[in-house]
Amino acid sequence: SQKIEQNSEALNIQEGKTATLTCNYTNYSPAYLQWYRQDPGRGPVFLLLIRENEKEKRKERLKVTFDTTLKQSLFHITASQPADSATYLCARSYGNKLVFGAGTILRVKS
Amino acid sequence: EAQVTQNPRYLITVTGKKLTVTCSQNMNHEYMSWYRQDPGLGLRQIYYSMNVEVTDKGDVPEGYKVSRKEKRNFPLILESPSPNQTSLYFCASSRPPTGRGETQYFGPGTRLLVL
Repeated sequence: SQKIEQNSEALNIQEGKTATLTCNYTNYSPAYLQWYRQDPGRGPVFLLLIRENEKEKRKERLKVTFDTTLKQSLFHITASQPADSATYLCARSYGNKLVFGAGTILRVKS
Repeated sequence: EAQVTQNPRYLITVTGKKLTVTCSQNMNHEYMSWYRQDPGLGLRQIYYSMNVEVTDKGDVPEGYKVSRKEKRNFPLILESPSPNQTSLYFCASSRPPTGRGETQYFGPGTRLLVL
C-alpha cells in the first residue's frame, strides 16, 4: 500500500518564525502531492499542489518542495502567525485515489 | 456558493440500526468520495465514485455501502452500524483525478457515535 508519513508530534513555534512540516512517502513517486489545512471540527481545505516534475511551488507565505530522491515533500510557512495554527495534511495521488497522512499539528505562539 | 453539504452533522445511534449520511455538491463534479477520520490514523478513504452509477472501494470499505444515482448526491449507508464505526466522516468532491492534480472540496463533516 502507498504510505504517507507526517510528524506525529506537534510543532510549536514562535510568531514570525518559519514553520517547516515534513511529508515522507513510500514506493514510487506520486504524480503529485497536495497539502491541506484542517481546523478543529472542520473539513480540510486545499492549500497547494506540487507535481513530480516540479521542485518548488509558492503561494504568498507558503512554499512546498518535492524531492523525489528523498521521497519527501517539505511545507514551509514563513512569517508565521497565530492564525496559522491548525493541522496540516499531506496527500499523495494513487491511481484514482488520494492517500492522506495523519497530519501534523502546528501551534504558533505570540 | 460552491460547496459540499452533509447531513446530519451529528448522529448518535445504536448498534445495528441502519443509517444514511447524505452528501451533496453543487459544483457539477464527477468524482466524489467518502473518508473517515480517526485520531492518529488520518483520513482514510471508504468509497469513491468516478461518475453516476460508477463506484469503487477505497481502503476501508467494510461495513459501508454507497450509491450514485445522481451526479450531485453520494449517500453513505451503514446497514448495521457497529461501535468501531464511531468516527468523523467527510464527503469530498472534485473533477476526475487524471494525474494533473484535482483539488478535493470537503464537506463540513458528520460526527457519528455508535453505542
